[in-house]
Amino acid sequence: RKEVEQDPGPFNVPEGATVAFNCTYSNSASQSFFWYRQDCRKEPKLLMSVYSSGNEDGRFTAQLNRASQYISLLIRDSKLSDSATYLCVVNTGKLIFGQGTTLQVKP
Amino acid sequence: DAGVIQSPRHEVTEMGQEVTLRCKPISGHDYLFWYRQTMMRGLELLIYFNNNVPIDDSGMPEDRFSAKMPNASFSTLKIQPSEPRDSAVYFCASTQVASEAFFGQGTRLTVV
Repeated sequence: RKEVEQDPGPFNVPEGATVAFNCTYSNSASQSFFWYRQDCRKEPKLLMSVYSSGNEDGRFTAQLNRASQYISLLIRDSKLSDSATYLCVVNTGKLIFGQGTTLQVKP
Repeated sequence: DAGVIQSPRHEVTEMGQEVTLRCKPISGHDYLFWYRQTMMRGLELLIYFNNNVPIDDSGMPEDRFSAKMPNASFSTLKIQPSEPRDSAVYFCASTQVASEAFFGQGTRLTVV
């Protein structure tokens, strides 16, 4: 079993849609959690950290469920510019990346 | 700070040749990670260092791969001899403990 698992998608949604990505992790001792965004042929960049209480940044909301070892990312009112690959990242002392979920927002 | 700097950006080499990838982390970061990314396997952690010391190299695919960090501002990943299946994008990232990791722009390696 992979340490961090994501549905690779692709998710094809129209502009304005709400889309949710999920991620599960296997190491219950994981210390911190992040969502990264990666555009085609570019390096990954931090989208947001994920806190136990949940956190929101504009149209983006991240949730953490330690009991279920599950992380989610919700994107509201999706834009064309949100098209990218979204990577779930777990810090177990080392940074482990999920396979990534590809989002394609259509006009 | 200029961010994480990797060189070269692109490398094309023949099978059997030695390849050396270079990374300069962000000053003050005490963790450095080397990743390999392919379409099939995504981002794989190869090795990481803490305060210049290799902590976990379990992701290094085989003995042909080696990595060093002689000081806090420089690391290398070497492949000798290279094979076509090593073709991938290699990323270096640096971070302080439990905080955001910053990536270099990557080295796109093609072994023919």
